[in-house]
Amino acid sequence: DAGVTQSPTHLIKTRGQHVTLRCSPISGHKSVSWYQQVLGQGPQFIFQYYEKEERGRGNFPDRFSARQFPNYSSELNVNALLLGDSALYLCASNPRLAGTQQFFGPGTRLTVL
Amino acid sequence: RKEVEQDPGPFNVPEGATVAFNCTYSNSASQSFFWYRQDCRKEPKLLMSVYSSGNEDGRFTAQLNRASQYISLLIRDSKLSDSATYLCVVNEDTDKLIFGTGTRLQVFP
Repeated sequence: DAGVTQSPTHLIKTRGQHVTLRCSPISGHKSVSWYQQVLGQGPQFIFQYYEKEERGRGNFPDRFSARQFPNYSSELNVNALLLGDSALYLCASNPRLAGTQQFFGPGTRLTVL
Repeated sequence: RKEVEQDPGPFNVPEGATVAFNCTYSNSASQSFFWYRQDCRKEPKLLMSVYSSGNEDGRFTAQLNRASQYISLLIRDSKLSDSATYLCVVNEDTDKLIFGTGTRLQVFP
C-alpha cells in the first residue's frame, strides 16, 4: 500500500510569492493534518481537515490556508511568502478524526530566498 | 513556557550504553502521549505510544507520570542505528499533535 505522498519534494521561491503544496493521504484515511518544521525545531501544527471540513487550526497567520478535496487529498497554500516560511512542510493522515497514530509523508522542503 | 519541553542534547553515547530522555508537558488535560523518531531530513515516524502503566518494546521503555506531567524514554543496549532525533509528542484533542523540539542522539562505535 502506498503511504502518504507529498509534492513537490523541494521548492525554491522568492519573498512575496505564493506556493501550493499537495498531499495525498493513505487510501481510506479521511483526516489530513499539516505541520511546519523549521530547522532545529519540532513540527508545529498548522491545520487539520476531516471529511473536507477544517477541524483545527494552529497559530499561523491568515497567509496560510488549506482545503481538502472529495478524494481526501489536500492542498496547503501560503501567500506573500516570507523568509521565515522556509521549512519542511509535513502532511499526516489518519483514518479517523482522533485518537490513533498519524502517518507522516516525506514532506516538502520549501526555501524562500 | 513551552507546551512540550525536551533537552535538545546532543547525547553522545557509545554502543551498548543505556540512555534516557525526559520530557515535560504543560497541559494537564493532554490525552495521548508518544515518542516519534526522526532521522536527518526525513519525516517523523512513530516509535511508541506511552501509557500510564509504562510500556516496553524490545530495547525501548516508555513511562508516563500524569501527576508530574512527565514522560520518559529509555533505550538499552544502544545501536549505531539508534542515532536520530527523538521527539516527545502530546495529543490534546482531535488530531493536533504537539511536538517538543526533539533530543538528538548520536551513538558512536
